[in-house]
Order: sequence, then C-alpha cells, then structure tokens
Amino acid sequence: AQTVTQSQPEMSVQEAETVTLSCTYDTSENNYYLFWYKQPPSRQMILVIRQEAYKQQNATENRFSVNFQKAAKSFSLKISDSQLGDTAMYFCAFASFTGTASKLTFGTGTRLQVTL
Amino acid sequence: KAGVTQTPRYLIKTRGQQVTLSCSPISGHRSVSWYQQTPGQGLQFLFEYFSETQRNKGNFPGRFSGRQFSNSRSEMNVSTLELGDSALYLCATSAGGASWNEQFFGPGTRLTVL
Repeated sequence: AQTVTQSQPEMSVQEAETVTLSCTYDTSENNYYLFWYKQPPSRQMILVIRQEAYKQQNATENRFSVNFQKAAKSFSLKISDSQLGDTAMYFCAFASFTGTASKLTFGTGTRLQVTL
Repeated sequence: KAGVTQTPRYLIKTRGQQVTLSCSPISGHRSVSWYQQTPGQGLQFLFEYFSETQRNKGNFPGRFSGRQFSNSRSEMNVSTLELGDSALYLCATSAGGASWNEQFFGPGTRLTVL
C-alpha cells in the first residue's frame, strides 16, 4: 500500500515571497503519478500540478513548480510570488500508473496562510 | 461548462438512519469517484464508478455503497449511520478512459450524524 506524508501541518508566508511545501511518499511501484491539490476555504479541490514518475524533468505551472526526487521519494511544491488567493489547504497525492489513476491516496495536508 | 454538482450540500441525520448523496458529473465525464474527508482520517478513497460499473474500491465497510446511472450521475449510500460517518463527502469526476484524465472535484456534501 502507498502512503503519503506531509510533515508541515501549517505554514505561513508573506505576499510576494516564496514558500516550499514538503511531501514524501512510500511505494514499491516504479511508475506512478504525483499531484498537488489545493482546497481553498470554499472547499472545492483544485489540481495545482501533476508529475509523472517516469519523467525526470520537474513539472511547472506558472508560479507553481515541484522538486521531484524519485530516489528519495520526495515531492515538494514551490510557490513563487505568493498571492493572497494561494491561502488554502494543500494536499499531496499519489496515484498508481496502472489504469486511469483514478484512486488517489492523499497526505494529511498543509494549511498555507498568505499574509500581507 | 457546468462544474461537478453535489446534492444536498448539508445533511443532518441520526445514528442508525441511512443517507443517499448524489453527484452529477461534468458533461461528458464517465468516471465518478467518491472520497470521505474527516479531520482525523483525512481524505480517503471510497470507490469509483465508470460506465455504471464499480471499477475501484477503497477499504470501507459494506455499509458504504454506490451506483452509477446511464447518464453518469452517481449516488452513494450509507446505511446504519454511525457517529464516525460525520464527514465531508467529495466526489470527483473525469472523462475516464484508458489513461489519466484530470479529476474535477465537487463542493462536497457535509454530513453530520447525531
């Protein structure tokens, strides 16, 4: 069974600064997907970024980028130029590469507060 | 395009009762997955339906069941409710198919069991 661990329950960052959220995972699979999801106070979960394990290049989506270290089973999210709208719970998630990867295993989340 | 809708948004039940939650996917989406979110256990996968068939299942007791209709709408049912079933129930829908497709989440149904 896969496990996902987020060791930072809460983090705070000032507007325009950069913050990094940590995530480690455990799996015996060689190919898989990793995701970061954002859940704002309104509770609708949104996909932030996706990484396929077979790709060595780190995924980037505008201000969001990841540092994927497959050997270390580490998958951190960097948010650059933080904005007030980034305030949310952030969940790291794992999905097997088999099938449609519809079954997500989530970490416990990191609550990020962006302040003025 | 309309997003994923879940009804009802809030529900209060008492122990022993049963409850049915509904999820209407984005038009064209054929896969519907259900998750339970609680402060103690976090987000846990319940099951996934695709083309009216359960394709994936999590580790929940048989009191939790689901189904999918021909229009891809899905319902989940919880029988003999327990206090621990109080949670936010999220559904996520995707196009399905043979490879990864982004899952879009609904706003959730907040179930309180008294």
